[in-house]
Amino acid sequence: QGQLVESGGGVVQPGRSLRLSCAASGFRFSKYALNWVRLAPGKGLEWLSIISYDGNTKHYADSVKGRLTISRDNSKNTVYLEMNSLRGDDTAVYYCARGISEFQVLSGVLDVWGQGTMVTVSS
Amino acid sequence: DIQMTQSPSSLSASVGDRVTITCQASQDISYFLNWYQHKPGKAPKLLIYDAASFDTGVPSRFSGRGSGTHFTLTINTLQPEDVATYYCQQYDHLPYSFGQGTKLEIK
Repeated sequence: QGQLVESGGGVVQPGRSLRLSCAASGFRFSKYALNWVRLAPGKGLEWLSIISYDGNTKHYADSVKGRLTISRDNSKNTVYLEMNSLRGDDTAVYYCARGISEFQVLSGVLDVWGQGTMVTVSS
Repeated sequence: DIQMTQSPSSLSASVGDRVTITCQASQDISYFLNWYQHKPGKAPKLLIYDAASFDTGVPSRFSGRGSGTHFTLTINTLQPEDVATYYCQQYDHLPYSFGQGTKLEIK
């Protein structure tokens, strides 16, 4: 069914930037839309962003619009999340997740998830 | 944006019980509703998509129903390994959105 592995998390100061990566294996990466979702301490899952299989369509949650940028490199089977102007409430585990349908521009059924990478925003 | 409201927020039940979690959407989302199971330290797992369809390998004791604005996830014959937080998620409209979660514990 495939595997996703996130990386790039860590401790970062408020106002700084961070880029997360999500590497895929075991499936044809270029056929699927990818999403980012986060889980903040004591909170529930929050959907953040989606990028289409070809990278041409992107959408963001209102809460992060303008500060997060999603991108992908199909030659490297990797999706990225660039996060700018980080704040304390960005502290969370960040997951990437695959949309279930091949060649669907936007796919909101998330059938393969990574284990997550922890981002802590603190001075 | 569409708001998803789950109830209850937490639930304690005995092994063998039947458990039902409810999810209410703030507007009509047809059948574009998924359910996920999340255990601490693990990747979330898709259980049910399109309100009532099982993902591969999901035990038959899990079932989903509903359409429009009202949805339910039922676990028949609760097992110890079902301890987790359960989330509904709509994908009818962007931005996609999750419910706040229902934490299920065993008595």
